[in-house]
Amino acid sequence: AQSVAQPEDQVNVAEGNPLTVKCTYSVSGNPYLFWYVQYPNRGLQFLLKYITGDNLVKGSYGFEAEFNKSQTSFHLKKPSALVSDSALYFCAVRGYNAGNMLTFGGGTRLMVKP
Amino acid sequence: EAGVAQSPRYKIIEKRQSVAFWCNPISGHATLYWYQQILGQGPKLLIQFQNNGVVDDSQLPKDRFSAERLKGVDSTLKIQPAKLEDSAVYLCASSLPRTPYEQYFGPGTRLTVT
Repeated sequence: AQSVAQPEDQVNVAEGNPLTVKCTYSVSGNPYLFWYVQYPNRGLQFLLKYITGDNLVKGSYGFEAEFNKSQTSFHLKKPSALVSDSALYFCAVRGYNAGNMLTFGGGTRLMVKP
Repeated sequence: EAGVAQSPRYKIIEKRQSVAFWCNPISGHATLYWYQQILGQGPKLLIQFQNNGVVDDSQLPKDRFSAERLKGVDSTLKIQPAKLEDSAVYLCASSLPRTPYEQYFGPGTRLTVT
């Protein structure tokens, strides 16, 4: 069975500082990894994905994520946080043989303070 | 491009009553998903359709939940009878056949069972 862990319920960061939202996964075979963001009263929005290739992937709104196979991690990062980045972030994984089934982590609330 | 549409946005019912949710995916998206998101948790896949056929319903509580996508476009998810633990946000998502891992989510229906 595939699973995702987001160890932090909330991350607090000051505007302009770098941010990291952590994600680790467990899956059989090579993983497909994703980050989604959820703003209040809105649906989840796709941010970025790792399928294969370069371990550092870039996505929407200046976000990037680094795939680390040995640590089974896929941490979300941004060099300089904005107040508007405050939202709920979900990491998701899909195993190679899992069809299209995504398994989501429990989410991490990012709070960026001015 | 219009996004995934869902209705109603909010629904309050008493336990043992029935309820139905509607979803209209993005035009051209053959794959449609229903997720359940309980407060404080990540979304959990309930059922996945490819056109009008069910691909995966392994996590759908079939004794009380049903879903259909008769014409391969819009879909309905029904709960009958509802239980208190069904209180959640029900999310619909859709994707293109060539990029099934890039899912587009609707705003969700928030169900409260009292």
